[in-house]
Amino acid sequence: DTAVSQTPKYLVTQMGNDKSIKCEQNLGHDTMYWYKQDSKKFLKIMFSYNNKELIINETVPNRFSPKSPDKAHLNLHINSLELGDSAVYFCASSQGASGTYEQYFGPGTRLTVT
Amino acid sequence: GQSLEQPSEVTAVEGAIVQINCTYQTSGFYGLSWYQQHDGGAPTFLSYNGLDGLEETGRFSSFLSRSDSYGYLLLQELQMKDSASYFCASRYSSASKIIFGSGTRLSIRP
Repeated sequence: DTAVSQTPKYLVTQMGNDKSIKCEQNLGHDTMYWYKQDSKKFLKIMFSYNNKELIINETVPNRFSPKSPDKAHLNLHINSLELGDSAVYFCASSQGASGTYEQYFGPGTRLTVT
Repeated sequence: GQSLEQPSEVTAVEGAIVQINCTYQTSGFYGLSWYQQHDGGAPTFLSYNGLDGLEETGRFSSFLSRSDSYGYLLLQELQMKDSASYFCASRYSSASKIIFGSGTRLSIRP
């Protein structure tokens, strides 16, 4: 019954490694997002896809690459992890791309880079 | 650039009423949303104001004034479970991006 799910919930890895976070939504929404929340709880959008098409691409390092195989899935791959990448990453979805529609967030993935 | 500003912390007493303000820059402003986030949890949607005025949902209400470039979230009959962080958020068409405020941590005392 989970609306937006993410895996894994926790991810601990060393600097320089490559890791992926997966996200799936079963709400039938056509827009999905990735957010990064830092230790000060500041929530910043990274990417947004509408019907598998990238519509928002914030100024994030190109080590971060989103992939949307279909409109129910949006994965995030991170290359060459750095200490500053440690944060909670949230996936979200909404019906509509305008940003005015209610966004449903996944439970988050806590990434710790050592 | 576009930004939303809200107080970092607010403290209130159980059973009371509290208002959390959010001011924003106007260029390309679409509308204002509010989200609640408990510690360790995910943000959850509370309300949206696309037009001026008050939207009421149970104990929570949200208000928007485009002429004053500000909105607020009003929480009534505060309960301990309302202790959380509250974020205002909006999309700006010129930047095509969604911006969240820095969040207001609401602490409720018995």
